[in-house]
Amino acid sequence: SYVLTQPPSVSVAPGKTATISCGGNNIGDKSVHWYQQKPDQAPVMVIFYDTDRPSGIPERFSGSNSGNTATLTISRVEAGDEADYYCQVWDSGSDLFVFGGGTTVTVL
Amino acid sequence: VQLQESGPGLVKPSETLSLTCTVSGDAINTYYWTWIRQPPGRGLEWIGHVYFSGTSKYNSSLKSRLTISVDTSRNQFSLRLTSVTAADTAVYFCARRCSAGTCPLDYWGRGTLVIVSS
Repeated sequence: SYVLTQPPSVSVAPGKTATISCGGNNIGDKSVHWYQQKPDQAPVMVIFYDTDRPSGIPERFSGSNSGNTATLTISRVEAGDEADYYCQVWDSGSDLFVFGGGTTVTVL
Repeated sequence: VQLQESGPGLVKPSETLSLTCTVSGDAINTYYWTWIRQPPGRGLEWIGHVYFSGTSKYNSSLKSRLTISVDTSRNQFSLRLTSVTAADTAVYFCARRCSAGTCPLDYWGRGTLVIVSS
């Protein structure tokens, strides 16, 4: 089965840039979506199809995907960005959804 | 579009967990409807999905115990998981996905906590 690997945690100072990686075999050939989950809330999509941003999501959130790594970048980090972030793909080989293990972003 | 999960918050071991997701603001006969769960303190796990036609796909780890069905007349879809154990304790979310496999989960319910305990 297809596996997505994320770092468990990322720490960043306010105003700086947070980078969250999502590793997978040839993930650049897949469409990657990113979700933000704050405590006791449902996940919210922040990036879809690698780079697209839903309405209402700040431009500070951006995504990229190439080779074996997809990346979510949060620029000018704010305290309100503290959350867990999950990457997700659809594995066409098995026709199954796959989530990464999640990354906790802590704002120092 | 709003999704709302409902069902018992406590289920005894070996019994059946049943949840329903009610969809409002959209017709159910257009998208794939998905269940996801999250054990306490852990990550997201895709459970499976159902299309309005009744076609479904399940996580292989749950397939033998799982049924996801749809009721278009009530704009609802449901999850049924048999022979539950403590490992099935989780927050269960329902969500919407468009018909292409590559589509994201764009709308989610708020989730409902199900505890498996005697």
